[in-house]
Amino acid sequence: EAQVTQNPRYLITVTGKKLTVTCSQNMNHEYMSWYRQDPGLGLRQIYYSMNVEVTDKGDVPEGYKVSRKEKRNFPLILESPSPNQTSLYFCASSLSGGNSPLHFGNGTRLTVT
Amino acid sequence: KQEVTQIPAALSVPEGENLVLNCSFTDSAIYNLQWFRQDPGKGLTSLLLIQSSQREQTSGRLNASLDKSSGRSTLYIAASQPGDSATYLCAGEWIGTASKLTFGTGTRLQVTL
Repeated sequence: EAQVTQNPRYLITVTGKKLTVTCSQNMNHEYMSWYRQDPGLGLRQIYYSMNVEVTDKGDVPEGYKVSRKEKRNFPLILESPSPNQTSLYFCASSLSGGNSPLHFGNGTRLTVT
Repeated sequence: KQEVTQIPAALSVPEGENLVLNCSFTDSAIYNLQWFRQDPGKGLTSLLLIQSSQREQTSGRLNASLDKSSGRSTLYIAASQPGDSATYLCAGEWIGTASKLTFGTGTRLQVTL
């Protein structure tokens, strides 16, 4: 089944403890992206990747890191999480970026205390 | 800066009714517009993608239109069913934004029996 898989689905952590949210797609998509969704603010892009080894900042990249060493994986790293990073995170991919439907994972709900 | 707005934030209709969801955007030089559906606890599912050269797209009971000059898109749902209950989001992509989607905050639709 074609899908974008995120893990974990739920995560509760404490301020400053490094964490990684994994994202993997099995559709051979070139483009991958991370979004966060907050009430009243909608979805905002954190980082995106047009291809392997190519990543760039979205609208809200502060406090996050990403890497794209393989086409299928695009992990999101929070080196020192803070409470304002409590949010619902989505990974997404598309065949080639522009003019391609975007496929989303089921989300990771992160709580930082 | 491009902005996307969806009004109303919530809508309730009886089963069987035809309905229209609205999406407006501030920059008429839009590259494409996508409509998504989000179910509680789930990721987003792409419903329709309209490229800037198109005026509408259809899939089953769904029809989406795009009017660049007025900065509006509509999603028409025919013969609504309780299973259509979800949050519907629109997102625009503009040239030069490296495939970044700018999302509206969504319309939460409830179809009642």
